[in-house]
Amino acid sequence: GQSLEQPSEVTAVEGAIVQINCTYQTSGFYGLSWYQQHDGGAPTFLSYNGLDGLEETGRFSSFLSRSDSYGYLLLQELQMKDSASYFCAVREHRGGSYIPTFGRGTSLIVHP
Amino acid sequence: DSGVTQTPKHLITATGQRVTLRCSPRSGDLSVYWYQQSLDQGLQFLIQYYNGEERAKGNILERFSAQQFPDLHSELNLSSLELGDSALYFCASSVGGSGGENEQFFGPGTRLTVL
Repeated sequence: GQSLEQPSEVTAVEGAIVQINCTYQTSGFYGLSWYQQHDGGAPTFLSYNGLDGLEETGRFSSFLSRSDSYGYLLLQELQMKDSASYFCAVREHRGGSYIPTFGRGTSLIVHP
Repeated sequence: DSGVTQTPKHLITATGQRVTLRCSPRSGDLSVYWYQQSLDQGLQFLIQYYNGEERAKGNILERFSAQQFPDLHSELNLSSLELGDSALYFCASSVGGSGGENEQFFGPGTRLTVL
């Protein structure tokens, strides 16, 4: 079954703050990553959390709580160009290999 | 531009046919990953190669195979194509292959349509 759960859609207005949550169930957890994908485009890496806490990169921040198997991506000062799909991803250690697993993605719609 | 190239950009073929998708990783990256993205399944990991060797295998069908060549480019072969194989196929690359790297660089994808 699906190892990661994230909301299918989130809407917000320009200038606002939005949080996209991700919960996971994996064996051999090795960190949580976030990717952004615009319609028809390639996924691009946003951030990575290997340890608990907050990582900040400009308007984007990502948080991880390993005890809760939970993380989130926080987007501040939303802009229209932030309308895209956002994927959380983990690497699971299975059978001696590291398997990248992506959530189904959250479609963020930013309104003017 | 991620530095990862994929050809062709679009591919239209018929059921039962065989196609080959090609990927060149970023300069210096040793790992290549293949993913399938369809509307109802999200990004599905297929297979990873590291420096010419298969490193990890995901939900790859037996009709699909891949390889990585000495110059590090990779090819994904899809055979006995079915309508359900229609999807966007992405290649990604990273520097390492042992699981220590966290960032993958994705190519622009190949859109496969099976009629």
